[in-house]
Order: sequence, then structure tokens, then C-alpha cells
Amino acid sequence: GESVGLHLPTLSVQEGDNSIINCAYSNSASDYFIWYKQESGKGPQFIIDIRSNMDKRQGQRVTVLLNKTVKHLSLQIAATQPGDSAVYFCAENGAYNTDKLIFGTGTRLQVFP
Amino acid sequence: DTGVSQDPRHKITKRGQNVTFRCDPISEHNRLYWYRQTLGQGPEFLTYFQNEAQLEKSRLLSDRFSAERPKGSFSTLEIQRTEQGDSAMYLCASSPGNNEQFFGPGTRLTVL
Repeated sequence: GESVGLHLPTLSVQEGDNSIINCAYSNSASDYFIWYKQESGKGPQFIIDIRSNMDKRQGQRVTVLLNKTVKHLSLQIAATQPGDSAVYFCAENGAYNTDKLIFGTGTRLQVFP
Repeated sequence: DTGVSQDPRHKITKRGQNVTFRCDPISEHNRLYWYRQTLGQGPEFLTYFQNEAQLEKSRLLSDRFSAERPKGSFSTLEIQRTEQGDSAMYLCASSPGNNEQFFGPGTRLTVL
């Protein structure tokens, strides 16, 4: 079935280092991918998205890479800060023109001073 | 605040009671989504609306669940005869129609 999974449930990094959060997706028909950050007790917060016609997209301190050949998605956070500590989810839309998002189980990012 | 809002933020109820949650989307967003999230898991899609039309419902949405968006603006999600397994965070998201979905803070439901 359709699924979005993450390789590492917890990632610990030192403040100032770069973080890389990985995600594998299973539906080759997905054409839209999105990363969310979720802090405890809050709703998911949009970070960055990418469409399947791109392989890289950059935002402020964040970069998303898409490798359609191996169905892999990653989120890179530059100069990680304590405020980046949260659970990060990747999601895919599952199929062309499908509006619902399919989420993985998340990766917890812990930033140490 | 012009983001998605949800009310209430927390709801504690006894098994068998009915509960209703409200979501106010970002104005001018014609699409509205409901998701459910349990502890340690990612959100799971329940249903979505385009304007007032409910276009898709997940198999997770049993007949005890009903959602409405009568005027194409705010939406309500009602759960009848609540069960302990309904305990979760209920999230609402809205979209202008380009796949981007912006989430509200959620309603935390606890069924005793």
C-alpha cells in the first residue's frame, strides 16, 4: 500500500551543525512532497515543499532534495538552532491530482547546545 | 491571527457522548481538510471539502463521524457515541488549491 516512512526516529545534533532528515516514499505516482515541523501540542507547521519536476528546492536555512529514482526525500537544515527541536514529517500526495496528504511517522530532532 | 483556527483546543468527554469540533480556515482558501493524529504517529487523512462539497472520505471515517461545511467557510466535525479509541488530536488544514496545506493547532480529544 501507499506509505511514507522515515529511516531515523530520533536525530540528535549539536547547535550550529547541519541536520539531514531522510524520508522514503513508496508511491511512484506522487508528484508533490512537503515537509512539516511539529512542536509539542501544536499543529504541523509548513516548512518547504517540492514538486516532482524538481530535484532541489531551497528556503531560508532549509533545502529539500528529491531523488525520484530511489524514491527518497531529504530535508537539510543549515546551522541547526535549539528552536529547530521538534518532530519533522514528510508527506506526499500519493497520486496525481489527489488532494490528501500521506504522512510518515516522523523524526524527532534534538538540538544540544 | 489569520491562520487556521480550531475550537475547542481540548475536549474531555465520557464514552458514549457526542462531540463537535469547529474549524475556521484561512479566508479565501476553498479547500478544507480534516486529519486525525495519535501519539507518535503522523496525521491520517479523514475527509476534505472543496467549498461546501465533501469530495473524499477516508475509510477511517466510520458512520459515527460526520463533517459539514455548509457555507463553504467554517467546518464542523461531529463524533457520535464516542469510544476510547477516538481519543486523538483532530487537525484541520486549509489550502488555496495548489496542494499546500496549512494546519490549525488541533483539538485534543480525550474519551474517558
